[in-house]
Amino acid sequence: AQSVSQHNHHVILSEAASLELGCNYSYGGTVNLFWYVQYPGQHLQLLLKYFSGDPLVKGIKGFEAEFIKSKFSFNLRKPSVQWSDTAEYFCAVGLNRDDKIIFGKGTRLHILP
Amino acid sequence: GAVVSQHPSWVICKSGTSVKIECRSLDFQATTMFWYRQFPKQSLMLMATSNEGSKATYEQGVEKDKFLINHASLTLSTLTVTSAHPEDSSFYICSAPPKRGRGYTFGSGTRLTVV
Repeated sequence: AQSVSQHNHHVILSEAASLELGCNYSYGGTVNLFWYVQYPGQHLQLLLKYFSGDPLVKGIKGFEAEFIKSKFSFNLRKPSVQWSDTAEYFCAVGLNRDDKIIFGKGTRLHILP
Repeated sequence: GAVVSQHPSWVICKSGTSVKIECRSLDFQATTMFWYRQFPKQSLMLMATSNEGSKATYEQGVEKDKFLINHASLTLSTLTVTSAHPEDSSFYICSAPPKRGRGYTFGSGTRLTVV
């Protein structure tokens, strides 16, 4: 069965630290890849997406992610986090065959001021 | 850009009553709509896929008779939680699939509390 794994459930960083959140998926077919962010009390917001082309994708708010096909990974990175990045981050995989999107369990990121 | 309008944003109901949640695509036609549920501190779980003009497809473990899904038109999909119980309290979100490179479009969600 298809699945999405996010390795870190809860991450605590200080401001200006670098961030990398892991995401791996299991699916042999063509996929679209997404990172969503959910700020406290708000709904999901798309950070970035990968459909095809350059595997290094840049998103909003200084985030980027790299698709490594051989590793089935799509890790999210940010060189210097801010207190306002405190939120929950979801990796998601869209299956081209039926347009379904499967979410990882999420990573709760807490930035210390 | 593409917008999905979801109503109500929050609702409180008594056990045993039914609640209808609507999702409308405002500036595009959606032949398919995905319905998700998110329990506190958990990820989104796909419940079902609604299809305009045909029956919805439910994921394993989701009760069809309890969660009635209707895709009445190309711009409207509804989820009705029938005979709601406190364990149905959750955050329900709809989403339209991508078209022409557009990512998934999510509704703003409905927080259902059953008392």
